[in-house]
Amino acid sequence: AQSVTQLDSHVSVSEGTPVLLRCNYSSSYSPSLFWYVQHPNKGLQLLLKYTSAATLVKGINGFEAEFKKSETSFHLTKPSAHMSDAAEYFCVVNDRGSTLGRLYFGRGTQLTVWP
Amino acid sequence: ETGVTQTPRHLVMGMTNKKSLKCEQHLGHNAMYWYKQSAKKPLELMFVYNFKEQTENNSVPSRFSPECPNSSHLFLHLHTLQPEDSALYLCASSQVVGQETQYFGPGTRLLVL
Repeated sequence: AQSVTQLDSHVSVSEGTPVLLRCNYSSSYSPSLFWYVQHPNKGLQLLLKYTSAATLVKGINGFEAEFKKSETSFHLTKPSAHMSDAAEYFCVVNDRGSTLGRLYFGRGTQLTVWP
Repeated sequence: ETGVTQTPRHLVMGMTNKKSLKCEQHLGHNAMYWYKQSAKKPLELMFVYNFKEQTENNSVPSRFSPECPNSSHLFLHLHTLQPEDSALYLCASSQVVGQETQYFGPGTRLLVL
């Protein structure tokens, strides 16, 4: 069975400080993993994805995530938060054994950035 | 984001109304999806279409009726909805059904009174 757990429903940081959004997954097969961001009243935008190449994945807007199979984690980080990073972030897993295109979404982490 | 468009962006309807949501993708993809996003709940997959054929109905009530006339357009026809159907309805597309990245539209915010 596939599932995604985002360990924090809310994260607050000050502008210019590091961001860490945590995600753990379970999957029967070697998964593809994604992080999406959703700004208020907008759809989901792909930040980055892991598909079995390099374990450290770089995305847009300075975000990156590291796939750690031994820890079944795919945490999202950014060295320095910007006000425009305030949004909701979703960790997503796609089971490689699935032919139905099913994505499994975490419940989301709301990131607040203080000035 | 402009690769997948959705109209209307906001919709208020009564429980006896009939309305339709429209999604259009300009990415040349062959798979399209409807999702429901409710407060405090993970995104719920509703329907999957691959090359205009429905490949998945995730136990969605019949008051939601999808239609996919071609690979670029997807509709969600709504009738006799309930207040608990109020949510953000997101459309997505991907090259094919499977492991491909999905691209999302901005969503339609639906309120059922």
